Amino acid sequence: QQPVQSPQAVILREGEDAVINCSSSKALYSVHWYRQKHGEAPVFLMILLKGGEQKGHEKISASFNEKKQQSSLYLTASQLSYSGTYFCGTEMGYGGSQGNLIFGKGTKLSVKP
Amino acid sequence: ETGVTQSPTHLIKTRGQQVTLRCSSQSGHNTVSWYQQALGQGPQFIFQYYREEENGRGNFPPRFSGLQFPNYSSELNVNALELDDSALYLCASRHLPLGLGTGELFFGEGSRLTVL
Repeated sequence: QQPVQSPQAVILREGEDAVINCSSSKALYSVHWYRQKHGEAPVFLMILLKGGEQKGHEKISASFNEKKQQSSLYLTASQLSYSGTYFCGTEMGYGGSQGNLIFGKGTKLSVKP
Repeated sequence: ETGVTQSPTHLIKTRGQQVTLRCSSQSGHNTVSWYQQALGQGPQFIFQYYREEENGRGNFPPRFSGLQFPNYSSELNVNALELDDSALYLCASRHLPLGLGTGELFFGEGSRLTVL
């Protein structure tokens, strides 16, 4: 049930764009995105609910393709502060054990000057 | 600051011992989840508690157990420690009305456990 993220790692120059993908073999209720910097706790970026809703956060946006059980995180005009490991988390249902948030293995993003 | 605090921040145990990790949730949050994060890996779901009852468990053996208290603070207990239990243990809280729906997880800074 663990979602699969790709790529595992990406290196960017400041100002470049990146896409991180997250896919599941199970029908999903929601997809969460978090960023974790080295030695720190994960920090929430956004939640997407089934219905193809797309939400944004500054220059970071995401989409959720309910039919394909896939979500993509778009980082536009990357900044040095975007460096970190990005995790997607998925929930299969509305409550109970279906509402447990399961994380992928992460995508390490490095932004160079 | 997320308002979620964990203690202790670091601890060292030997194989076979028992450990208790503590978490104070953000005020008003009725749901707490515990995760194990090995170095370079994603957070692995251990279990979730809603209003003092476990409502979901990941692929962890029974020697991993937890409690959630009426004030929504919680504990993670691990018995018979093994070397592979060395990891960062993260507590995360959120408010789920009636335990349903979804919402942002607020993470604590974690407790780093080393088992020798």
